[in-house]
Amino acid sequence: EVQLLESGGDLVQPGGSLRLSCAASGFTFSNYAMTWVRQAPGKGLEWVSVISYSGSRTYYADSVKGRFTISRDNSKNTLYLQMNSLRAEDTALYYCAKDKIEYRDSHNWFDPWGQGTLVTVSS
Amino acid sequence: DIVMTQSPDSLAVSLGERAAINCKSSQSVLYSSNNKNHLAWYQQKPGQPPKLLIYWASTRESGVPDRFIGSGSGTDFTLTISSLQAEDVAVYYCQQYYSSLALTFGGGTKVEIK
Repeated sequence: EVQLLESGGDLVQPGGSLRLSCAASGFTFSNYAMTWVRQAPGKGLEWVSVISYSGSRTYYADSVKGRFTISRDNSKNTLYLQMNSLRAEDTALYYCAKDKIEYRDSHNWFDPWGQGTLVTVSS
Repeated sequence: DIVMTQSPDSLAVSLGERAAINCKSSQSVLYSSNNKNHLAWYQQKPGQPPKLLIYWASTRESGVPDRFIGSGSGTDFTLTISSLQAEDVAVYYCQQYYSSLALTFGGGTKVEIK
């Protein structure tokens, strides 16, 4: 069974940093692109970033470009999101999700998703 | 970025009746190299993460009931629930994957029981 377990969410002050992790199991992690999607309280889904299965390609939403960095450690079956210069508007539940198709660099759709980790940016 | 606009924001439908959710993209998501529409639909029930329902605009994910029907092409798409069941109460999102530089979701449509 595919499992995705996010961690690292916390209360952080504006301007601070946080690193989220997503531990994957139940599939060959290195064969699949992975993504981060966030959901502000009571709001819709906002795509944040995606990384190709090899890690060679990364893409970001304009709202986080230059502040967030997605990465993966295929030896540890773990996806990361380094979040710097955090703002109040980054407050959200952050989900990681797995690409449905192996060996894709782009044009991805995702399933399953983890349960999410909550990031709160506030002074 | 491709903007995805869903309508309505919410709808209430009687059990057994049809529910239709619209999704419009700001540019075509029909990819010429494979002649497929790069659009997916997700269902998010309260307190749960999203779940994939449909991809390629009309291909049902394995295990998804056949009352969920995706249709449309180019810039206009519809998710139809042919006979609403109580367990279908959720928020539904469309997502374009035409542009990997910026994957984008629609704003969501909340489906409730009338």
